Amino acid sequence: GAGVSQSPSNKVTEKGKDVELRCDPISGHTALYWYRQRLGQGLEFLIYFQGNSAPDKSGLPSDRFSAERTGESVSTLTIQRTQQEDSAVYLCASSPDQRGTYNEQFFGPGTRLTVL
Amino acid sequence: AQTVTQSQPEMSVQEAETVTLSCTYDTSESDYYLFWYKQPPSRQMILVIRQEAYKQQNATENRFSVNFQKAAKSFSLKISDSQLGDAAMYFCAYRTYRGSTLGRLYFGRGTQLTVWP
Repeated sequence: GAGVSQSPSNKVTEKGKDVELRCDPISGHTALYWYRQRLGQGLEFLIYFQGNSAPDKSGLPSDRFSAERTGESVSTLTIQRTQQEDSAVYLCASSPDQRGTYNEQFFGPGTRLTVL
Repeated sequence: AQTVTQSQPEMSVQEAETVTLSCTYDTSESDYYLFWYKQPPSRQMILVIRQEAYKQQNATENRFSVNFQKAAKSFSLKISDSQLGDAAMYFCAYRTYRGSTLGRLYFGRGTQLTVWP
């Protein structure tokens, strides 16, 4: 079966523009996560979805960042008025059921965002 | 908040030799999970091994094993018989067992492993 997919693979944008990053989770996975990976850093948690609700969005760095999810399917991370410090790889992961004792997170290949 | 520290930004090993990557973490919880992920240049995060904190036995997966010292809050990864394909960035990660942040992973900054032929 298909894994987690993300699009675009790479995105170059100008400072001040808005960008949308897309994540298609593995079919049937109810939990979805967004992480940010700056150059030379580990992954930082941004937001978690259970179905289409977001019980934990404490990692979103500012109100320029928002995310939504349609049912238990695709999720979109939107960054408004991009800044150079937003340049990073944005990784999405999904897992079968957040509420179980253990559910592996399966990661997508990420979107590399470059803000000029 | 939980923090994960990897003190070795870079490590290298000769093919067929053994290497150990270090990880320490800080938490006040008694139940949690610990993970090692591998990230090759393709950026795809791959789960290498996981450890449940309530288990005293160290996890093993083929050539990969961990040394879990709960009291010391230490979680090192040992790679035996290193192969060229093991070359990658390795991340240590923590996940809580219960509570409002259930599910989110806390990552260290990674260790870049080079394998020499």
